[in-house]
Amino acid sequence: QKEVEQNSGPLSVPEGAIASLNCTYSDRVSQSFFWYRQYSGKSPELIMSIYSNGDKEDGRFTAQLNKASQYVSLLIRDSQPSDSATYLCAVNIPSVSGTYKYIFGTGTRLKVLA
Amino acid sequence: DTEVTQTPKHLVMGMTNKKSLKCEQHMGHRAMYWYKQKAKKPPELMFVYSYEKLSINESVPSRFSPECPNSSLLNLHLHALQPEDSALYLCASSRAGLADLTDTQYFGPGTRLTVL
Repeated sequence: QKEVEQNSGPLSVPEGAIASLNCTYSDRVSQSFFWYRQYSGKSPELIMSIYSNGDKEDGRFTAQLNKASQYVSLLIRDSQPSDSATYLCAVNIPSVSGTYKYIFGTGTRLKVLA
Repeated sequence: DTEVTQTPKHLVMGMTNKKSLKCEQHMGHRAMYWYKQKAKKPPELMFVYSYEKLSINESVPSRFSPECPNSSLLNLHLHALQPEDSALYLCASSRAGLADLTDTQYFGPGTRLTVL
């Protein structure tokens, strides 16, 4: 079983719509979650992090976390063509040595249609 | 400022060459990372340095050799690479190191490596 799962897409939404991106994880001990945006040929860019159950809003972006369901999502309101990119979910997973490392999902490719 | 810089941006090398990738950050971050990313795949962790000591080596072949000369610099020495090593190599840094579960990683722009 994959540790962090995302639908690879592409997810196509019309301009101005809400894009909903989902991520599930298998390790119940995970406590911190990150969303990155990656344009083709570029490096990942942090959008936001979330650590507590519930919603966290930053501009047009809202991250939602449900630890009981092991589910984290990213909503993009008023989607723009410039939002077209791959969105990576990362989960900080503890290792046996007491340290943490990111496990990335495979990413969801988003296409916003003008 | 959350800038991580990487040089060179592009590198083409033959299988017998020796080359190095360089990463630098001046944010006072104490953890630095090397990732490898193939097309349409997520980044794969290679190495992590925490407080200038190698903390994680994800069973990377010895033809990749990391080095952390000081808290701001991270190098990746390359020798006798294979064509399948062609990828985007990403450096990242984070503030607190590996013992902080909320620690956020910031990525550099990457080096696009082609091995002929």
